[in-house]
Amino acid sequence: AQKVTQAQTEISVVEKEDVTLDCVYETRDTTYYLFWYKQPPSGELVFLIRRNSFDEQNEISGRYSWNFQKSTSSFNFTITASQVVDSAVYFCALIGGNKLTFGTGTQLKVEL
Amino acid sequence: DGGITQSPKYLFRKEGQNVTLSCEQNLNHDAMYWYRQDPGQGLRLIYYSQIVNDFQKGDIAEGYSVSREKKESFPLTVTSAQKNPTAFYLCASSKTRLAGELRFGPGTRLLVL
Repeated sequence: AQKVTQAQTEISVVEKEDVTLDCVYETRDTTYYLFWYKQPPSGELVFLIRRNSFDEQNEISGRYSWNFQKSTSSFNFTITASQVVDSAVYFCALIGGNKLTFGTGTQLKVEL
Repeated sequence: DGGITQSPKYLFRKEGQNVTLSCEQNLNHDAMYWYRQDPGQGLRLIYYSQIVNDFQKGDIAEGYSVSREKKESFPLTVTSAQKNPTAFYLCASSKTRLAGELRFGPGTRLLVL
């Protein structure tokens, strides 16, 4: 069975701190895709990144970076120098076989 | 710039009433989806459609119905058979099913009176 686990339900940090959101996945497929989405208070999910199972290179986009490790089935997301605007629910998701599975999300609160 | 619109933003349902949530996209995407979001449960798939006049049940289809008569439109009806309809409903689309990232609409919050 396919599964995405985001064990951190809620994280609170002070602005400018770095924060890492964990994502652990399970799939029997050798070809799969991993995603991160951001859901701000407005409610609309916004796509952040897609990574396929054959590409383990880490990626950096501004203050965001992603660490994909097949050996530990993890796809963690780090925000450097967090800002109040980063406050949102972040979802990790997996496409494997014929199914898209979302994790339960991590609520990130960035305070002044 | 294309996108997905959902209406209404808030919807109130009386006991025994059917209500319909609207979802329209102008992205020329073939695949469309309906998700239900409850606190602490992430997103659960209700129905999806890969092409006009075709749709498939997701994980929690009971008490819901959909239609896909036009490529741009994928309305969701919450029937009286759905006993716990209070939730946030999100519509999404993608170029093809499982092709890549989903584009989401702003959501409809359904409340029961």
